[in-house]
Amino acid sequence: EIVMTQSPATLSVSPGERATLSCRASQSVSSNLAWYQQKPGQAPRLLIYGASTRATGIPARFSGSGSGTEFTLTISSLQSEDFAVYYCQQYNNWPSFGQGTKVEIK
Amino acid sequence: QLQLQESGPGLVKPSETLSLTCTVSGGSISSSSYYWGWIRQPPGKGLEWIGSIYYSGSTYYNPSLKSRVTISVDTSKNQFSLKLSSVTAADTAVYYCARYIAPDLLSAFDIWGQGTMVTVSS
Repeated sequence: EIVMTQSPATLSVSPGERATLSCRASQSVSSNLAWYQQKPGQAPRLLIYGASTRATGIPARFSGSGSGTEFTLTISSLQSEDFAVYYCQQYNNWPSFGQGTKVEIK
Repeated sequence: QLQLQESGPGLVKPSETLSLTCTVSGGSISSSSYYWGWIRQPPGKGLEWIGSIYYSGSTYYNPSLKSRVTISVDTSKNQFSLKLSSVTAADTAVYYCARYIAPDLLSAFDIWGQGTMVTVSS
């Protein structure tokens, strides 16, 4: 099993600021990494796949980087609608998710 | 526009079998060579992949759940289903069905159902 570890657990950010979320895999997953956003009571929404490709309709302020075992999701200028929980997921093997990072208003 | 909708009992007794169906609308489950999956989320916790199925019926299960999981597809009804046997309180969760973004098991989930809450309790 590939274990995905996200940090920090909670990130407090002011609107308009940059947010940087990290995800580490217990072994290499190449670029087979996705990021999702989840708001309360809603299903996850795909943001990034292939480590750095934005999904359809995702704003350019969301960007992903990394390969192998270290990955980053950056939100360049946080908007009010971006406060949510973010999950990374590897699909290099059978899928596994990180435990999530909650982005909250500072 | 492709949409997925989960359905099934919201309450299941311990030791019984949880059964859910995902209905695909806005497209055919078999006309495009996509994989389809089930993911769950216990209250206040993270996401766990349960298993996936190809439109042809090939299945892939999470090793930790494999002994209790069966996923099947009914192309005539444009549906795929999940059965989880011998449930306990630990199986209480929101269950999501989802589609893979590409016709490849090594891809992300791009379209999700709204999720259905299943509680295991006597």
